[in-house]
Amino acid sequence: DAKTTQPNSMESNEEEPVHLPCNHSTISGTDYIHWYRQLPSQGPEYVIHGLTSNVNNRMASLAIAEDRKSSTLILHRATLRDAAVYYCILMAVTGGKLIFGQGTELSVKP
Amino acid sequence: NAGVTQTPKFQVLKTGQSMTLQCAQDMNHEYMSWYRQDPGMGLRLIHYSVGAGITDQGEVPNGYNVSRSTTEDFPLRLLSAAPSQTSVYFCASSRGLAETQYFGPGTRLLVL
Repeated sequence: DAKTTQPNSMESNEEEPVHLPCNHSTISGTDYIHWYRQLPSQGPEYVIHGLTSNVNNRMASLAIAEDRKSSTLILHRATLRDAAVYYCILMAVTGGKLIFGQGTELSVKP
Repeated sequence: NAGVTQTPKFQVLKTGQSMTLQCAQDMNHEYMSWYRQDPGMGLRLIHYSVGAGITDQGEVPNGYNVSRSTTEDFPLRLLSAAPSQTSVYFCASSRGLAETQYFGPGTRLLVL
């Protein structure tokens, strides 16, 4: 399974945008890029996913590099409730095993 | 819909005891899986199932058994608990192999 690399932690101020990077240089052509987040003492929850094109939903945006070797999760206006560990995961279109790395712990300052 | 439910929320076991962690989903999802999360770590896949009657091993299957007799339920059995199995256990389900996964609230297990 292809691996991802994320910073261990990031800080943001409330109401400001947050850009969470993820490197996945060994991604294959059939790997989707998924993002999940885990709030304290909860199970992970789905945030967004994409294949090649940038994606938007009500929670976030996903910007995918043209060569697909990296991606960025964008939270447009961070709130205190966005403080969580964010996981960038590659999922093969033929197999649904989620392989979690360490993720990025995002803290949001008021 | 209740989504993915897990019982119990918290359990204390002595070394050598057995127990079953329950997981149920009411979304008619084919794919279900079990993960464990140790402190400060990401989740690791224990076992998964792509449908009733079909199960397979994940990254860390040793010490755990699973079965899938119905679409709704996917219990995880610890036959002889060890302190190394102290962890938080999450169950997840999805419509299919590459679909969004929905996680339960977790079961905290302490093995003394």
